[in-house]
Amino acid sequence: QSALTQPASVSGSPGQSITISCTGTSSDVGSYNLVSWYQQHPGKAPKLMIYEGSKRPSGVSNRFSGSKSGNTASLTISGLQAEDEADYYCCSYAGSSSVVFGGGTKLTVL
Amino acid sequence: QLQLQESGPGLVKPSETLSLTCTVSGGSISSSSYYWGWIRQPPGKGLEWIGSIYYSGSTYYNPSLKSRVTISVDTSKNQFSLKLSSVTAADTAVYYCARLFGYVTDYWGQGTLVTVSS
Repeated sequence: QSALTQPASVSGSPGQSITISCTGTSSDVGSYNLVSWYQQHPGKAPKLMIYEGSKRPSGVSNRFSGSKSGNTASLTISGLQAEDEADYYCCSYAGSSSVVFGGGTKLTVL
Repeated sequence: QLQLQESGPGLVKPSETLSLTCTVSGGSISSSSYYWGWIRQPPGKGLEWIGSIYYSGSTYYNPSLKSRVTISVDTSKNQFSLKLSSVTAADTAVYYCARLFGYVTDYWGQGTLVTVSS
């Protein structure tokens, strides 16, 4: 059970769109539509942003969207805002009632 | 509003057992809809799922930690607990307790830093 692969960092200017990738294997991301995404600000607990690949919990901005193709899931943030600057983690069901996280991506809003 | 609060020693000696408890308020740990779990984050690093438990006591552990981890639940106190044995400096981390629906973590505790050091 290896960690999912995410880029260490991405950046964008206010108003732009960015996409964070999350690459797994046919044993996790590729086999299930059970990828979730979390936002974590420094010193805070993670916050659920996307679940089951593309669903948004109540209260999460529709600027956040998720998708999947093959073994890679993606989080897209449109209309980038300063408050979006944070670390983002993907997570996937990996079978046998286990989950695996990605290594995290630091988003910088320029 | 559901709240989860971790409690336990912030300092543990190498080779000893780390013990943490999570107290759930604003909801019942006996709900059939949810699992309860532990996730950790070493300083400056990413998240790692440790394991989960159902109110009935069924447990699921990260294979890489399974030999050292025990998660238990006390429904009478609305609490669940984590024990991690034979700790080393690599186990130094912020430990979060959380609620899971399916395989999604929707509520998190604030986290507690546990340092392994002599």
